[in-house]
Amino acid sequence: AQSVAQPEDQVNVAEGNPLTVKCTYSVSGNPYLFWYVQYPNRGLQFLLKYITGDNLVKGSYGFEAEFNKSQTSFHLKKPSALVSDSALYFCAVRDWSGGGADGLTFGKGTHLIIQP
Amino acid sequence: NAGVTQTPKFRVLKTGQSMTLLCAQDMNHEYMYWYRQDPGMGLRLIHYSVGEGTTAKGEVPDGYNVSRLKKQNFLLGLESAAPSQTSVYFCASRTAVGTEAFFGQGTRLTVV
Repeated sequence: AQSVAQPEDQVNVAEGNPLTVKCTYSVSGNPYLFWYVQYPNRGLQFLLKYITGDNLVKGSYGFEAEFNKSQTSFHLKKPSALVSDSALYFCAVRDWSGGGADGLTFGKGTHLIIQP
Repeated sequence: NAGVTQTPKFRVLKTGQSMTLLCAQDMNHEYMYWYRQDPGMGLRLIHYSVGEGTTAKGEVPDGYNVSRLKKQNFLLGLESAAPSQTSVYFCASRTAVGTEAFFGQGTRLTVV
């Protein structure tokens, strides 16, 4: 079975400061890892993914994430937060080793609030 | 390019009524999914399909049925709606060799 934990329900950051949204995961095999963002009353938008290779992946809107295999983490980061970054962020995992249901397993989501 | 389109966007049902949610994608994707989103619980997989004519159960399939008669469409049915099925439903699709999924805008369903 696979699972994702987002330990913070809400993260508050001042505009211009760096931000981090935390994510840890558990899979029996090898992970594909994803971050999605959801704005109010909208669907999920893909931000970035880790498949293999470089542990630091860059995505849309200046976001990046670092894959840490030993800590089973995939934290989302941005050097300088914008008010428009305020949204609900989801971390998700899929085990590409096979077995079990297809589809993503999501964390519960983290509300990111950027204060002017 | 419309991407993933869900119909309807909003619906209110009475307990015991039935309905079908339609998901249509124009990206020629092989894989399609139905998720439900509930506050504080993230998204949970209901059913999915790896190709036309095939479906499989996800994490929370009870009370739902699905069909994939055409590659571009994935239908989610509720035969006898219950208040516990009040949720926001999202459809998603992806290619067979790709990785990230593309999501529709969601259907907000209320069962009273």
